[in-house]
Amino acid sequence: AQSVSQHNHHVILSEAASLELGCNYSYGGTVNLFWYVQYPGQHLQLLLKYFSGDPLVKGIKGFEAEFIKSKFSFNLRKPSVQWSDTAEYFCAVNAPYGGATNKLIFGTGTLLAVQP
Amino acid sequence: DSGVTQTPKHLITATGQRVTLRCSPRSGDLSVYWYQQSLDQGLQFLIQYYNGEERAKGNILERFSAQQFPDLHSELNLSSLELGDSALYFCASSVAHSGASGELFFGEGSRLTVL
Repeated sequence: AQSVSQHNHHVILSEAASLELGCNYSYGGTVNLFWYVQYPGQHLQLLLKYFSGDPLVKGIKGFEAEFIKSKFSFNLRKPSVQWSDTAEYFCAVNAPYGGATNKLIFGTGTLLAVQP
Repeated sequence: DSGVTQTPKHLITATGQRVTLRCSPRSGDLSVYWYQQSLDQGLQFLIQYYNGEERAKGNILERFSAQQFPDLHSELNLSSLELGDSALYFCASSVAHSGASGELFFGEGSRLTVL
């Protein structure tokens, strides 16, 4: 079965600091990888996704993620965070060709607090 | 705005009661997914419907059931409610049930509080 691990549960940064959130998944086949963000009181929004091609993916709001197949990782990065990046970040995976469903399996989430 | 509509946004009820949560997917999306988000369990996949048929089942309790109607909207029925059922219930939709286009679009959620 697929699973997703996010190692950082809570991260506190000052504005302008760099961010890297870890995500590892377990699945032997082809996967799609996603990072979703949930701002306080809001629904999940897609930050970025990886389906195939260039393993360095750029998303909205200056976020990027790198897919490293050999490490089963899809870490999220941002060079300089802002107070408005305070949110919960979820890594997710699905197996587009491994079954009959597109259901996403989510990690437990990382709560990011950016101090002004 | 994701295009996925969920009602009600908030619901407060008592233990033992039954509630129905409703979801309208994005126009053109045939798949609907239900997720439960709670503090201790995180985001848990409950169930998926595709064009009216159940496609995948996750950690859904027997007290819970869902269906997708011919107009593609879906309902999640929660019965014999317990305190631990208090959570945010998200609906998501996608075009297909599987395949390369794996992106899910989420609604704003229905927050259920069981007292």
